[in-house]
Formats: sequence, C-alpha cells, structure tokens
Amino acid sequence: GDSVTQMEGPVTLSEEAFLTINCTYTATGYPSLFWYVQYPGEGLQLLLKATKADDKGSNKGFEATYRKETTSFHLEKGSVQVSDSAVYFCALREFSGGYNKLIFGAGTRLAVHP
Amino acid sequence: EAGVAQSPRYKIIEKRQSVAFWCNPISGHATLYWYQQILGQGPKLLIQFQNNGVVDDSQLPKDRFSAERLKGVDSTLKIQPAKLEDSAVYLCASQDRNNSPLHFGNGTRLTVT
Repeated sequence: GDSVTQMEGPVTLSEEAFLTINCTYTATGYPSLFWYVQYPGEGLQLLLKATKADDKGSNKGFEATYRKETTSFHLEKGSVQVSDSAVYFCALREFSGGYNKLIFGAGTRLAVHP
Repeated sequence: EAGVAQSPRYKIIEKRQSVAFWCNPISGHATLYWYQQILGQGPKLLIQFQNNGVVDDSQLPKDRFSAERLKGVDSTLKIQPAKLEDSAVYLCASQDRNNSPLHFGNGTRLTVT
C-alpha cells in the first residue's frame, strides 16, 4: 500500500539556520501531498500542500515542491525561528473506495534554540 | 468557527479496564476520522465515518475497539478491554468535502498501566 518515509529526528538547529526535512513517498497513483505541524500541546495543523507534480506549497516561510521523478516532498525554510519548534508530519492522500484518507509519516521533531 | 472538540484531554486506566473518548466535529462536517498516534509514530487511521455510516474500519481492532456516530454529528470511540499497547494519543478529525483539509482536535492522551 501507499506509504510515507520521513527523516528521523530530532533535528536541532540554531535560530536563523536553514531547514530541510526529507520526505519520500510510495504510491500507486498520483496522490496529493501535505505537511502537517504539531506544536507542543496542540492538535495537528495543515502547514502546506501540493496536489500535482511540480506544484510548490508554501506557508509561513516554509516551502515544499512535489517531485514526481524522485517521489519526494522535502520541507524547507530559509531561516528558522524558536517558534518553529514542533513535530512535522509529511502525509499523502490516497483514494480508496470513493473516499480519501491521509497516510502519515512518523514525524520529525524540530528543536530551534536561540 | 469552533474547532474539533475532544474529551477527556487525558485518561489513565489499568489494563483490562474500559474507556471511552468523545469527539464533536466542526458543525456541518460530514466526514469524521479517528486516528491513533503512538509515541514516536505518525497518526494511524482507525475508522472513518461519512455522516453516520462507516466508510473504512479496516485497521480498527474490532475485538476490543468500537466506534459510533449515531446521529451523524458527534462520535465516541471505546476500548474494552484495554491493553498496555493501547497507550497513545487518540485524535479526531473532521472534513466537510472530499478534497478539503482535515481539521484535527487536540486529542486524548491515554495511558494504560
């Protein structure tokens, strides 16, 4: 079945450093791809998405490009802040039986220190 | 708009006891999901409802887990009897249309001792 693989954490960075969190997927079709973020004590929130190849999703300074040739959707940010400390989940949406469902990666914890 | 509400926020029980979680989705959202998130892992779908009907429960351990959404609005998830490996955060999410984003609640953290 479809699956998502993320780089293991934790990722520890200094403020203003460049961030990359790798995500690759396995899917039989052409899924939509998502990044969700979970701040401490809060629920999952959609960060950004891309629905087809070469689409770039962006939000709050984060970007990710849907790369069909490498089946990847890596998350990047040019300059991280302490407030970006959270767990980041890559996910794909597959269609099954006429309905869609999200399949998540294991999550990558990001810790940003001043 | 009000978000997805879940209760309780935390629950500690002993193994072999039973427990129930409650979820109230965003008003008007037809689709409701229950996910299990074990520490260090991504959320795993347990069951998906479309209104009050089950769409997908293929990963629900039906010998001990049950869920219902009788009036197509709020939902309960029950575990009876609980095992140690059921310790996890149980997340509820709702969605209004097939391609729209999922909205997640803050989850219920269950500890089974």
